Amino acid sequence: DIQMTQSPSSLSASVGDRVTITCRASQNINRYLNWYQHEIGKAPKLLIYSSSTLQSGVPSRFSGSGSGTDFTLTITSLQPEDFATYYCQQGYRSLYTFGQGTKLE
Amino acid sequence: EVHVLESGGDLVQPGGSLRLSCAASGVTFSSYAINWVRQGPGKGLEWVSGISGRGGSSFYADSVKGRFTLSRDNANNTLYLQMNSLRADDTAVYYCAMSPYSSGWLSFWGQGSRVTVSS
Repeated sequence: DIQMTQSPSSLSASVGDRVTITCRASQNINRYLNWYQHEIGKAPKLLIYSSSTLQSGVPSRFSGSGSGTDFTLTITSLQPEDFATYYCQQGYRSLYTFGQGTKLE
Repeated sequence: EVHVLESGGDLVQPGGSLRLSCAASGVTFSSYAINWVRQGPGKGLEWVSGISGRGGSSFYADSVKGRFTLSRDNANNTLYLQMNSLRADDTAVYYCAMSPYSSGWLSFWGQGSRVTVSS
């Protein structure tokens, strides 16, 4: 299975900050990397797919980059509603795997 | 607008069985691969299983292989997850998530169905 490793596991930030979350795959996954936002009690939400494509309706302060094994999610100018947990997920192989999550607080 | 709704979650004893359902509306159901993702207490998201749009291919995480089985009824826009030989570590909220044309990303999610395995 492809292992996904996110860092950091938690991140303390303030409204208006710029934050970056990294995700590393255990093997080359080209650009088959997706990012989700998850708030407790809610359905996870797709933010970015194929490494850098913003899902419809997602604010432009979210961006993604990377290919191969190393990827990043950047949020510029944090808003109060952005404090949640973020997950990366590889879609390279049909047995999908998620990173362990990054809690933004 | 797309709506995804899970049902069937319950309290079940270890070794027991349960069937979850996932119903979708607002989409061409057979154009989407459908996956189950779970979140155990205090844990992150874990992909559990997935099935292709027409149902010809299905995939399972090692943790559930041989115990869980997917099936889909495209005529009724419904997916089923049959869970047998349930264990305490299967306790989780189970989310149904739809992937367009088996693209690899999960576009639409339900609110989840809670499964508790305990005596």
